[in-house]
Amino acid sequence: GESVGLHLPTLSVQEGDNSIINCAYSNSASDYFIWYKQESGKGPQFIIDIRSNMDKRQGQRVTVLLNKTVKHLSLQIAATQPGDSAVYFCAEALSKALGGKLIFGQGTELSVKP
Amino acid sequence: DSGVTQTPKHLITATGQRVTLRCSPRSGDLSVYWYQQSLDQGLQFLIHYYNGEERAKGNILERFSAQQFPDLHSELNLSSLELGDSALYFCASSVGPGFEPQHFGDGTRLSIL
Repeated sequence: GESVGLHLPTLSVQEGDNSIINCAYSNSASDYFIWYKQESGKGPQFIIDIRSNMDKRQGQRVTVLLNKTVKHLSLQIAATQPGDSAVYFCAEALSKALGGKLIFGQGTELSVKP
Repeated sequence: DSGVTQTPKHLITATGQRVTLRCSPRSGDLSVYWYQQSLDQGLQFLIHYYNGEERAKGNILERFSAQQFPDLHSELNLSSLELGDSALYFCASSVGPGFEPQHFGDGTRLSIL
């Protein structure tokens, strides 16, 4: 079936280090990409998004990079904190004509050691 | 707090039954989306409504249906429940019809016994 491919890794980092979470997406026609953070017992929380006409976007402590050539998306978290521990999902949307359907990856678990 | 409210938080029922999940979107949001999250399938898109009209459909089973009411709240109806329907069901909302952040509620956990 269709999917945005995270390999379900677990990323363990030390508090204060930078984290990089990677995502390979499958559809070269995708126009919109978004990262979510999900904590246990909660719904996905929006982190940052990027459209296909951009290759980088920065937020507070987070940066998303988009490489359309190799269909790769990454989320960089600066100065990772224990509160950043969660599962991170990337998602893609194909076309506005298809409505707001998001296709989610499998998720990466980020563990931050104090 | 995302501003999206889902009720109930938990539902326990038996096979063959029917349940209704409710979602109130964030104030001002016209779109409502439903997703299913299970351990083996991850987060799967079910359906999208914008201002009362269906905009997109995912792999939603025929036993499942949804609607968005004039006050913009939405309901997801699941009938003839099977064990495999046990999952977390999330509602999300956004301002417009797509290509913008969707804000998720905390979900309804459905357990089929």
